[in-house]
Amino acid sequence: KAGVTQTPRYLIKTRGQQVTLSCSPISGHRSVSWYQQTPGQGLQFLFEYFSETQRNKGNFPGRFSGRQFSNSRSEMNVSTLELGDSALYLCASSGGTSGSSETQYFGPGTRLLVL
Amino acid sequence: GNSVTQMEGPVTLSEEAFLTINCTYTATGYPSLFWYVQYPGEGLQLLLKATKADDKGSNKGFEATYRKETTSFHLEKGSVQVSDSAVYFCALSQYSGSARQLTFGSGTQLTVLP
Repeated sequence: KAGVTQTPRYLIKTRGQQVTLSCSPISGHRSVSWYQQTPGQGLQFLFEYFSETQRNKGNFPGRFSGRQFSNSRSEMNVSTLELGDSALYLCASSGGTSGSSETQYFGPGTRLLVL
Repeated sequence: GNSVTQMEGPVTLSEEAFLTINCTYTATGYPSLFWYVQYPGEGLQLLLKATKADDKGSNKGFEATYRKETTSFHLEKGSVQVSDSAVYFCALSQYSGSARQLTFGSGTQLTVLP
């Protein structure tokens, strides 16, 4: 089975721009979660989607948003980029009925640099 | 709220040395516990997990036992290799609303010297 894939792997943007990151979960997995990883704050939960619905959201401003498509692929969007948004963005998928499996499998991440 | 506290790094060991990375947690109820590993430039890989008290997770020579009485999940390996050099994250999973959410520790950088 193919793992979680994320595109693009690297991205450079300037302040004020917006960015969209994509995540394809493991085949059959319907739950997708997003995390931000920075040296200062570590790994922080952004949001989780299941069956195209956001079920959970972390403590991030409204500039961070996401969505999930009927094939379980997910995108996250960051508008009006700030320097502090520079980070590794990780996507994880999990399976089970209702996405209830506790084990999350991570993709390689998208490294975003905001200049 | 939930939290995970990990041993501060970095940790430097010689090849074949014994490894312990301490992890304690705070949570209500009965979380599942995980160790993930991150190699340079990569995402997180699941190393091992335990879903209930006294369970032992093991993989690739690494072990960790879910200790509810001490709220701990320490990672151990009897003989480390240079290829084990990476950052190790302890995490717990618990329901938040209708979905499970992972809470991570700060990570411990391990360097193994030949």
